[in-house]
Amino acid sequence: DTGVSQNPRHKITKRGQNVTFRCDPISEHNRLYWYRQTLGQGPEFLTYFQNEAQLEKSRLLSDRFSAERPKGSFSTLEIQRTEQGDSAMYLCATTRGEGSEAFFGQGTRLTVV
Amino acid sequence: AQSVTQPDIHITVSEGASLELRCNYSYGATPYLFWYVQSPGQGLQLLLKYFSGDTLVQGIKGFEAEFKRSQSSFNLRKPSVHWSDAAEYFCAVGAGIGGKSTFGDGTTLTVKP
Repeated sequence: DTGVSQNPRHKITKRGQNVTFRCDPISEHNRLYWYRQTLGQGPEFLTYFQNEAQLEKSRLLSDRFSAERPKGSFSTLEIQRTEQGDSAMYLCATTRGEGSEAFFGQGTRLTVV
Repeated sequence: AQSVTQPDIHITVSEGASLELRCNYSYGATPYLFWYVQSPGQGLQLLLKYFSGDTLVQGIKGFEAEFKRSQSSFNLRKPSVHWSDAAEYFCAVGAGIGGKSTFGDGTTLTVKP
């Protein structure tokens, strides 16, 4: 257990539905990252926050995806109108910032049927 | 743009044998390099990291890696593999210690008894 908590661990949804995932970071970590990992590939960067500010978004993050980190604490990742191609493991990682190691949560596995 | 190549998709070694997993990277400046391990259905655990200084870095679980700038490589080694080392291994290059990382597609390690 790295101290980064992700919920739910698994989510099965029908195509077209909206889903929301949550990441609770280690309390003193001010940077929070979202990655997506599909079968047979490494994690791909989606977005990151420094405290409550979203500082970078990948081109992978289409307009159906939105992420928030209110008050610089937990973060949510929402996918609207899910598609089968959204099926993946969504990983959250947090760090204290420059000079510190990233800790990953166990991920949320999304299956869109 | 930064990129990481892990040439070996799958490696099988006998328990007690030595191990070397290859990683080649592309990055415009001095890279921050990482090796992570991922067990099935789990998040990523950091094995070791290189930022600067000694090019041979020691990590957890008896792993080490050597940074070779001339070859753009950061290969992971272990002198004697244990059955519990069976997992997927990812090499990553980072824009900074606290920055986003670009991952390779991973190498799956199988350990034969």
